[in-house]
Amino acid sequence: GAVVSQHPSWVICKSGTSVKIECRSLDFQATTMFWYRQFPKQSLMLMATSNEGSKATYEQGVEKDKFLINHASLTLSTLTVTSAHPEDSSFYICSVYRDSGADTQYFGPGTRLTVL
Amino acid sequence: AQSVTQLDSQVPVFEEAPVELRCNYSSSVSVYLFWYVQYPNQGLQLLLKYLSGSTLVKGINGFEAEFNKSQTSFHLRKPSVHISDTAEYFCAVTPYSSASKIIFGSGTRLSIRP
Repeated sequence: GAVVSQHPSWVICKSGTSVKIECRSLDFQATTMFWYRQFPKQSLMLMATSNEGSKATYEQGVEKDKFLINHASLTLSTLTVTSAHPEDSSFYICSVYRDSGADTQYFGPGTRLTVL
Repeated sequence: AQSVTQLDSQVPVFEEAPVELRCNYSSSVSVYLFWYVQYPNQGLQLLLKYLSGSTLVKGINGFEAEFNKSQTSFHLRKPSVHISDTAEYFCAVTPYSSASKIIFGSGTRLSIRP
């Protein structure tokens, strides 16, 4: 498997501020990480694919200028929600992709963002 | 393109009763299949996966799933549930050709009654 952490686990911020969420792969080097968004009682929606050392690939409809992704090292990817608004309130989950013949994603514990 | 259908949005069962959570998928290419569990306010935990071989897959916490290619199904089962199994369960697939891309079903909320 893989161990993935996220920080913070929850955050409350004022409208207009920016929030950074960290995703760490603790036990192996991940060249590919994913960021998902989950609304209450719904499934996960893929926002973007984060590739170490290159620009993230965003899914259709996701504003890349609003959701900044940086994958500066093989163990850390960050998602920054810029100028957050109440509609950005959601549960954000990252995952790491481990291609070891198992082709499996391993998920972090999630970050609950509440924008007031 | 691939899609995953979980017909039951909620499944209430009594403790120690058996349960089956249904999952059907659609794909024009071969896929890997997964079941994930999400406990309240937590991320997703891998329950089990089917890559190849035996169609009956055993996972953690006493769960198992059977891959049925002709019916394009991957139903999850447990013979006797516990209160601690209360959670959201997601079925998912990834195509062989793009194994990093995962497509989730809408989820099934399993609630266990004492």
